[in-house]
Amino acid sequence: DIQMTQSPSSLSASVGDRVTFTCRASQAIGISLAWYQQKPGKAPNLLVYSASRLESGVPSRFSGSVSGTDYTLTIGSLQPEDFATYYCQQYYDPQYTFGQGTRLEIK
Amino acid sequence: QVQLVQSGGGLVKPGGSLRLSCAASGFTFSDYFMSWVRQAPGKGLEWISYISSTNTYTRYADSVKGRFTISRDNAKNSLSLQMNSLRAEDTAVYYCARESRVSGWYNYWGQGTLVTVSS
Repeated sequence: DIQMTQSPSSLSASVGDRVTFTCRASQAIGISLAWYQQKPGKAPNLLVYSASRLESGVPSRFSGSVSGTDYTLTIGSLQPEDFATYYCQQYYDPQYTFGQGTRLEIK
Repeated sequence: QVQLVQSGGGLVKPGGSLRLSCAASGFTFSDYFMSWVRQAPGKGLEWISYISSTNTYTRYADSVKGRFTISRDNAKNSLSLQMNSLRAEDTAVYYCARESRVSGWYNYWGQGTLVTVSS
């Protein structure tokens, strides 16, 4: 199975900050990567697919990029509603896998 | 609008069985792959199974292979997960999710249902 390793596991930031999350794949997956946001007690919400394509309705402060097997999700200017847990998911291999998540907390 | 409404779940003893259901509406169900994803308490997301749009093939995570069976009824717009030989480590919130038409990302999710395996 392809392992997805997210870093950091948690992050403290303030409203207005620019933050970046990283997800590293254990092998090449091309652009077959999605990012999700999950708030407590809620289902995940798709933010980005194909590594860098923003899902319809997602604010433009979110962006995704890739370099080799390293994927990043960036929030340009944190808003209060962005404090949540973020997960990456690879769908290159038929055995889909998620990263372990990065929890974004208010500083 | 797209809706995935889940039912089933609850408390079951180790070794027991449970069936989860997911009723779909607002889209042509037979056009889409569907999946089950679970989340143990305080833990991350774990993909456990998907089924092709026409019931042609299924796939399972190693953690549930041989114990869980995914199925769908395209005439009734419904997805199911039969869970047998349940273990304490199967305790989780289970989500049904719809894949995009293009590839394996999930753009719609059910509300989740809690399965607790405990004696």
